[in-house]
Amino acid sequence: NAGVMQNPRHLVRRRGQEARLRCSPMKGHSHVYWYRQLPEEGLKFMVYLQKENIIDESGMPKERFSAEFPKEGPSILRIQQVVRGDSAAYFCASSPPRTGNTGELFFGEGSRLTVL
Amino acid sequence: AQSVTQLGSHVSVSEGALVLLRCNYSSSVPPYLFWYVQYPNQGLQLLLKYTSAATLVKGINGFEAEFKKSETSFHLTKPSAHMSDAAEYFCALSTGTASKLTFGTGTRLQVTL
Repeated sequence: NAGVMQNPRHLVRRRGQEARLRCSPMKGHSHVYWYRQLPEEGLKFMVYLQKENIIDESGMPKERFSAEFPKEGPSILRIQQVVRGDSAAYFCASSPPRTGNTGELFFGEGSRLTVL
Repeated sequence: AQSVTQLGSHVSVSEGALVLLRCNYSSSVPPYLFWYVQYPNQGLQLLLKYTSAATLVKGINGFEAEFKKSETSFHLTKPSAHMSDAAEYFCALSTGTASKLTFGTGTRLQVTL
C-alpha cells in the first residue's frame, strides 16, 4: 500500500495517560501535516513538519501536545496526560516536495482516540 | 489570513436530483481550491481541485466545480445524485505549494429515495 499509513486506527486511553499516534507518509513525500477532527466538526490544522523540522505549529495546543518527524521513521503526534476533550479523529496527510506540488494533500484513514 | 465558508451543514436531495454544495472563500492571494469527500469512519478522498488552470473543474464520480473569482465561490455540483454519494463533503483552500489546507466545516449530503 503506497498511501499514507496511520496507526493505530483506534486507541483508547484513560485520563492522564499518554497517546502516541504514528504516520508514515506516501513514498516520496517529505511534508507531513496533522489535523484534528472533533465530533460533528471539520478538520482543524495542528502542525506541519518536514524531516527533522517543524515548519508551522500554529494549530497545536500550547500544552501536552508535541509532534516530530525524525530523519528515519514515521511522524509521531504525542499527547501527554490526555483529557476527555482530546477524544477525536487525528488525521495525517502528506505532500510531495515543492517541485510539482499543487497544494493537494493525501490523507491517511485517521487514528480515532477515545479518552475514558 | 484565509478562510472557507460552507453554507448548509446538511443537504438532502432525492436520488436523481441535482446536487449543489456551496463553498465561498476568502484569500489575500490567488488560492488553490479543493473538494474532499469523507465516508463514515474513513479518511478524506480528493474529489477535484482548482489550481489556476480551467475554471470549470471535473472530478471523480461525476462531480464538478466552477471557480468564480468575482463571487469568491467554488460550488460543487453533480447533475444526478446517487445513493452512494451520501457522505460528508469538505471544501478546502491552499495558498501555495507545500502549504497547509484550510477546511470549511463540511456539508453532510443525504440522498433519499
